[in-house]
Formats: sequence, C-alpha cells, structure tokens
Amino acid sequence: KAGVTQTPRYLIKTRGQQVTLSCSPISGHRSVSWYQQTPGQGLQFLFEYFSETQRNKGNFPGRFSGRQFSNSRSEMNVSTLELGDSALYLCASRLAGDNEQFFGPGTRLTVL
Amino acid sequence: GQQLNQSPQSMFIQEGEDVSMNCTSSSIFNTWLWYKQDPGEGPVLLIALYKAGELTSNGRLTAQFGITRKDSFLNISASIPSDVGIYFCAGMNRDDKIIFGKGTRLHILP
Repeated sequence: KAGVTQTPRYLIKTRGQQVTLSCSPISGHRSVSWYQQTPGQGLQFLFEYFSETQRNKGNFPGRFSGRQFSNSRSEMNVSTLELGDSALYLCASRLAGDNEQFFGPGTRLTVL
Repeated sequence: GQQLNQSPQSMFIQEGEDVSMNCTSSSIFNTWLWYKQDPGEGPVLLIALYKAGELTSNGRLTAQFGITRKDSFLNISASIPSDVGIYFCAGMNRDDKIIFGKGTRLHILP
C-alpha cells in the first residue's frame, strides 16, 4: 500500500505570491491534516479535513486555507506569501476513528 | 492552549548507551504517540499508547503512557547510529486534536 505522497517536494516563491501544495493520503484514509514545521516552532497544526469538511483548525491567519476532494486528496493554499512562511509543510492521513497519523515526506517551501 | 513540554531538547550520547526522553503537559491526553523524523523526511510513527499506565515496546524502543495521563516517556536501549534523528511526542485530546512536542534531537558520538 502506497504511503502519503506530497507534491511538489520543493518550491521557491517570492513574497506576495501564492502557492498550492498537494497531498494524497494512504488509500482508505479519509482524514488529512496539515502541519507547518519550522526549526524554532516545531510542528504546528494548520487544519484537518475529513470527508471534504474542515474538522479542526489551528491558529494560523486566513492566508492559509485548504480543501479536500471527494477522493480524499487535499490541497493547501497560502496567499500573499511572507518570508516567515518558509517551512516544511507536512501532510498526514489517518483512518476515521483511528488516532495513528501517517506523514508524507513534506513540501519544503522557501519564500524569497 | 494545550502545550507539550518535551525534554531534553537535544542529547549527545555514545553508541551503545541507553536513551530516555519524556513529554509532560498540564492537560490530559487520551492517546500518546511517538514519532521519529530523519532529515528531509516526514515523521514516522514509532509507538502509539492508548491507556493510562500502558507500557509498549517496539524492538529496542519502549514507551509508557503516564498514570496521570499528562505525561509519557520513550526509552531507546543500546543505541545505534541509525537512531540519530529528531524524536517527537504527540498527544491527542478528547477533542480529537493532536498536539506535538518540539522534539528531542538525538546525536550519537562515534
């Protein structure tokens, strides 16, 4: 069974631009969560989607948004990029009702 | 909001030594998870704990869910070079939210 996949793996953008990251969960997993990882702050929860609905949300500004499609694939969008948005963005999936999350390799976003 | 205090922040040990790290919180969690992250990769789940007092092993790794449900520890016995990485604890609360510690960076001296 394939693991969680994320595309692209690396991305370089400039301030003010927007970016869309993609995540394909493990087959059968309907819950997808997104995290931002930076050296100083560790793993910060962005949001969780389940069956195309946002179920939980972290403390990030409205520039960070997401969605989930009927096939459970998820996208995350960041608008008006700032230098501080440079980070590793991780996606994790889990089975409904299960507490064990499985992570993808992440997308490394650099904002110049 | 809920926070997890993970310690130590980093460790330098000799190959073959045992390692111990822990996470504490002022809040109660229903599940504790331990992950390891290698450079350039996403975290990989090592051990999941579901009941207070539960002690679970996975090879050389042993983790325990604290009796108070506010803490957990991870032990690694007889460390080897491939144990190098960042170890994260995570707690899931009754609102189904997962909160991560800031990680323990393990270094193994030759």
